[in-house]
Amino acid sequence: EDQVTQSPEALRLQEGESSSLNCSYTVSGLRGLFWYRQDPGKGPEFLFTLYSAGEEKEKERLKATLTKKESFLHITAPKPEDSATYLCAVQPSGGATNKLIFGTGTLLAVQP
Amino acid sequence: DTAVSQTPKYLVTQMGNDKSIKCEQNLGHDTMYWYKQDSKKFLKIMFSYNNKELIINETVPNRFSPKSPDKAHLNLHINSLELGDSAVYFCASMGREGADTQYFGPGTRLTVL
Repeated sequence: EDQVTQSPEALRLQEGESSSLNCSYTVSGLRGLFWYRQDPGKGPEFLFTLYSAGEEKEKERLKATLTKKESFLHITAPKPEDSATYLCAVQPSGGATNKLIFGTGTLLAVQP
Repeated sequence: DTAVSQTPKYLVTQMGNDKSIKCEQNLGHDTMYWYKQDSKKFLKIMFSYNNKELIINETVPNRFSPKSPDKAHLNLHINSLELGDSAVYFCASMGREGADTQYFGPGTRLTVL
């Protein structure tokens, strides 16, 4: 069964304290892995798509990496405005190829 | 301009009632989705439509009936609402088959009393 597990469930950082969020996945075939950011009361906002092991993408203080079993979202020198829930999702390559399977997210709080 | 919009933002209703949620996208996308997010923030796909044709139905009770009058709209009608239907419902859209990235609406918080 296709599955996505995110850790930790919650993370509290001081402003400027870099860290990483983990997304491990089990899927029969991977079409793509997605990272979204969700603020309270809003819909998920697209951040990155990764397609193959070894791929990396960056946006401001965020960098996403992918291996064959997991993805990391690295946050460098975070600011309070980076506080949000970060969601990871995989898109299996078989069957209905546009289906996303989400993890339960990591709630990040960055304190000034 | 809002890319994916939903109405209403909040919906409070009694058990047993029938209600609808509307979704519209102005991105020119072919595929639209409904997701349900429970109290633990877990997002799970419910339905997907491609060019008004149902392509994903994830074992959702048949009290839930999606309807797509055209490519830009996907509505969700729910009959005989139950307490367990309380959740946030998100609409999303994707450009074309294989384009991958899904863009989400702001959500509709449904509370069943």
